Amino acid sequence: DAGITQSPRHKVTETGTPVTLRCHQTENHRYMYWYRQDPGHGLRLIHYSYGVKDTDKGEVSDGYSVSRSKTEDFLLTLESATSSQTSVYFCATNRGGTGELFFGEGSRLTVL
Amino acid sequence: KQEVTQIPAALSVPEGENLVLNCSFTDSAIYNLQWFRQDPGKGLTSLLLIQSSQREQTSGRLNASLDKSSGRSTLYIAASQPGDSATYLCAVEVEGAQKLVFGQGTRLTINP
Repeated sequence: DAGITQSPRHKVTETGTPVTLRCHQTENHRYMYWYRQDPGHGLRLIHYSYGVKDTDKGEVSDGYSVSRSKTEDFLLTLESATSSQTSVYFCATNRGGTGELFFGEGSRLTVL
Repeated sequence: KQEVTQIPAALSVPEGENLVLNCSFTDSAIYNLQWFRQDPGKGLTSLLLIQSSQREQTSGRLNASLDKSSGRSTLYIAASQPGDSATYLCAVEVEGAQKLVFGQGTRLTINP
């Protein structure tokens, strides 16, 4: 257990509003990831970070931005939420080297 | 582009049976392969991690094998129990990328 906390766990918002999801980890893991999980698509990588202020795009990054100002926090921002971004979002961390991935409990986002 | 497939999508067996879950991937250039368990409404929990140089890993009643050349992995569950009911996902880490590509999972139900 990498001590990963996601907030909020549930959010309902309207189209066009900005949304920020927060991931906080207590294990000092170098790598952090944001995935979304959707029926029929499985888990898809949105963005990831390989260190403070070092981020890169994943498979489905359009419409999302991220920031990592501290080792323990990784923020995912939807600048203007759309209904297609309704999903369950998972944060994950990786110490690096071993490759084992640890997941948070997920944040369920509904965009009306 | 790496693609990961898990067949079947769902499996239902009586308690006590030994069973095998399958995972296949299209590109053999992987760094490692990981099996996860996901309970409804929860995050993913890592079960077994197999490095590309390894052939198998074991943890309790679970045994995972890896055949890179054929692009296949299996997860063997011995003496299944109702508590094993969950969705099982496999994921491969693309070499040098620290990013995982997931299959869509097999939903396993163990009937008492």
